[in-house]
Formats: sequence, C-alpha cells, structure tokens
Amino acid sequence: DTAVSQTPKYLVTQMGNDKSIKCEQNLGHDTMYWYKQDSKKFLKIMFSYNNKELIINETVPNRFSPKSPDKAHLNLHINSLELGDSAVYFCASSQFYGGQTYEQYFGPGTRLTVT
Amino acid sequence: GDSVTQMEGPVTLSEEAFLTINCTYTATGYPSLFWYVQYPGEGLQLLLKATKADDKGSNKGFEATYRKETTSFHLEKGSVQVSDSAVYFCALSSPSNTGKLIFGQGTTLQVKP
Repeated sequence: DTAVSQTPKYLVTQMGNDKSIKCEQNLGHDTMYWYKQDSKKFLKIMFSYNNKELIINETVPNRFSPKSPDKAHLNLHINSLELGDSAVYFCASSQFYGGQTYEQYFGPGTRLTVT
Repeated sequence: GDSVTQMEGPVTLSEEAFLTINCTYTATGYPSLFWYVQYPGEGLQLLLKATKADDKGSNKGFEATYRKETTSFHLEKGSVQVSDSAVYFCALSSPSNTGKLIFGQGTTLQVKP
C-alpha cells in the first residue's frame, strides 16, 4: 500500500494553462504539505494544512491555490502556468501533536514541465 | 530565521570508503533534526532523525549525532556501497515554525565500484 501518493507523476503543459496535482495519504496523519524542488534540487515549503486548516502559506504567487477536502487529501491548483513553475512538486504528511511535528513522509513527486 | 547548511557536493567515493556529510543549523529553541535521502527519480525517504541534544539517530549503517554545542548533525557511514549513491538532505523542524521542514541544499553522493 502506498503511504503518500500523487497524481500525475509527470505533467507537461504550455504556458498559460491551468493544472492540478492531487495528493492522498493513508497514514492517518492530520497534517499535509506541499514542497517545491527546483532544478538545483533545493526544497522549499509552499503550503501546509492541519485538519483541513491552512497553517503555512509561504511567499507563493496567488496563482497557486491549495485545497484540502479532508485530512487525507491535499490538492494543488496552478493557474496561468509560467516557465518558472517547472519543478518537481512533493506532497508530504505527518502527525502534528503537542506543538511537535513528527517525521514527514513524502510522495513520489510530480515533475511539472511548462513549455 | 531558521536555516540549514550542508557541505557542497558532489562527493565521490570508492566503495567501502568512510563517508561524512557535514550539516550545521541555526534555529531558535530546540529543533528536531533529520536526514532524508533521495534516490534518482524518487521521492524523499527519511533516513534517520534525532529530537534532542546528544541523541544519535541510526539506520542502514548511517549515523548522526545531535550536537547542540556545535549546532551540527553530521551524517556518517563506515563503509559505503554503490547503492548508497543518492542525494542526501539535512533538515530541521521546530515548534516555532509550525512544523515545516527547512532543508539544506542537498549533497550528491556518488559511490564508484
């Protein structure tokens, strides 16, 4: 059983299009995250939801909008895609308890290529 | 703000060589520290962790000790294998930053037979 899954694995699209990436976790965790990995492999947090509530919203363009329909799902919608959005996007989940985060489990990533 | 600094890569070693990847951090409070590994084309896997000073995390022959006095969490392995070739990320998480992981820049390890 896959713990954290993402779809699609690869996404190739043209500038100006709108696309979504979906993430699901079956670990029973209450917190989910989106990270972006650039071409130099640097990873940076974008968003985090705890029990469907947005708790982290880093400096990300308004074109990126996360949505969490329930604790097990976190989706990322991107409007008006730009060349600079090309990256690998990772979803992760963890349990946040008593002010302390336990280790995060990552999905396989979605490689987004904007042409 | 909180930050993590790793040694620059790539690191190239021969099989059975000793590995050290340096990691230092800056954080307020008492963060938890992690090493993640990313094999080619895959997501990140937790390699080991330590949640308080002097804790030693270990897994698959890798070890790292949480050193508060030097704010370090260096990764070591006594004898590397070709299958250890990957990108290694040091990361921290603290309650003051709502649990997000702050990563170092990653260190690529290549092990040659």
